[in-house]
Amino acid sequence: SQTIHQWPATLVQPVGSPLSLECTVEGTSNPNLYWYRQAAGRGLQLLFYSVGIGQISSEVPQNLSASRPQDRQFILSSKKLLLSDSGFYLCAWSVGGRVNNEQFFGPGTRLTVL
Amino acid sequence: LAKTTQPISMDSYEGQEVNITCSHNNIATNDYITWYQQFPSQGPRFIIQGYKTKVTNEVASLFIPADRKSSTLSLPRVSLSDTAVYYCLVLPTQTGANNLFFGTGTRLTVIP
Repeated sequence: SQTIHQWPATLVQPVGSPLSLECTVEGTSNPNLYWYRQAAGRGLQLLFYSVGIGQISSEVPQNLSASRPQDRQFILSSKKLLLSDSGFYLCAWSVGGRVNNEQFFGPGTRLTVL
Repeated sequence: LAKTTQPISMDSYEGQEVNITCSHNNIATNDYITWYQQFPSQGPRFIIQGYKTKVTNEVASLFIPADRKSSTLSLPRVSLSDTAVYYCLVLPTQTGANNLFFGTGTRLTVIP
């Protein structure tokens, strides 16, 4: 069966510090991978998605970046965090191909920037 | 981009059937209608997907009229554990994530 892992579960970082969130998927190959952010009381905002190693599409301009160094690894990074980067970050995967394929979400990382 | 409109919130008593309607007036021919459920501090979970008429699974039913400009998610005999946010998405059968928009969903509160 497939599983998706995210870490850390919670993170408190000062403004201006770097960020690295990691997501890994097990039990599948060539998945589509996604990073979402959910600010307090708001909907999910798609940040990045990837259809393959080294292939990243950005949906929203921001000070965040994403990388996919391996088939089942997706990393979200920032060089300098802003207060507005606080939120609940979710990684998801789906079977490669159609955008309407079911997405499976990880447990999330709650980031607080102070 | 087939954006969706759904109620911000709904309340229901335990044991009742709940119907959440989503409007998607600009739905395209190759778009599918998908619903997700999200509990607090968790990622969304897929509930059901359909193209037309009616789809039913062990969790819910999805009713889609002939013009496909709206859809209704039906949850039979809700319990307290169904309290969650429900998202309606309209997604095409193509690659890319240009239309992947969850919005703010409908917050369903089930009352004892």
